[in-house]
Amino acid sequence: AQKITQTQPGMFVQEKEAVTLDCTYDTSDQSYGLFWYKQPSSGEMIFLIYQGSYDEQNATEGRYSLNFQKARKSANLVISASQLGDSAMYFCAMSVNTGGFKTIFGAGTRLFVKA
Amino acid sequence: EAQVTQNPRYLITVTGKKLTVTCSQNMNHEYMSWYRQDPGLGLRQIYYSMNVEVTDKGDVPEGYKVSRKEKRNFPLILESPSPNQTSLYFCASSLWARDRLGTGELFFGEGSRLTVL
Repeated sequence: AQKITQTQPGMFVQEKEAVTLDCTYDTSDQSYGLFWYKQPSSGEMIFLIYQGSYDEQNATEGRYSLNFQKARKSANLVISASQLGDSAMYFCAMSVNTGGFKTIFGAGTRLFVKA
Repeated sequence: EAQVTQNPRYLITVTGKKLTVTCSQNMNHEYMSWYRQDPGLGLRQIYYSMNVEVTDKGDVPEGYKVSRKEKRNFPLILESPSPNQTSLYFCASSLWARDRLGTGELFFGEGSRLTVL
């Protein structure tokens, strides 16, 4: 069965430092997409970054990068130079073809950025 | 403005009283989906739709119905709500990923907080 595991319920990081949020996934499919979303305290869901399973290079979007290790089935999010506005819940997700396209989310990691 | 609109945003209802949460998108997306968010569980997919008249179950479909009669609309129906359906609900839509491996980024509505007494 497909599954996303985020083992860090909460994390603290000092402003301007880098932080890594862990995500491991489980699927027997070879073709899948991996995503990270941010949910601030206001509640909306914001797309951050995407990695396709056949992408050979790690995805980057501004201060966000996705450390994709396919053999280890991990898709960690790295936020460089943390800002106070990065304090939020972060969700790792996977889109897989199960006949249709399901999207599976992890339980999330709450990040706190300290001034 | 490109958006996904859900209504109502907040609702308190009683057990057994049928309700519908509407969802509409103006981006001509083929894929639409419903999720519920509960503390410690992340988002769980209820139903999704690959196109008009094509719907399929997600991981937690029990107690819910959907329909996709038009491309832009994807309502979620709770025929007989129960307290365990108290949750935050999100509708989302998407194009296909650039590499066609699955859905692209999901565009979410603002969420609908439902309380069933």
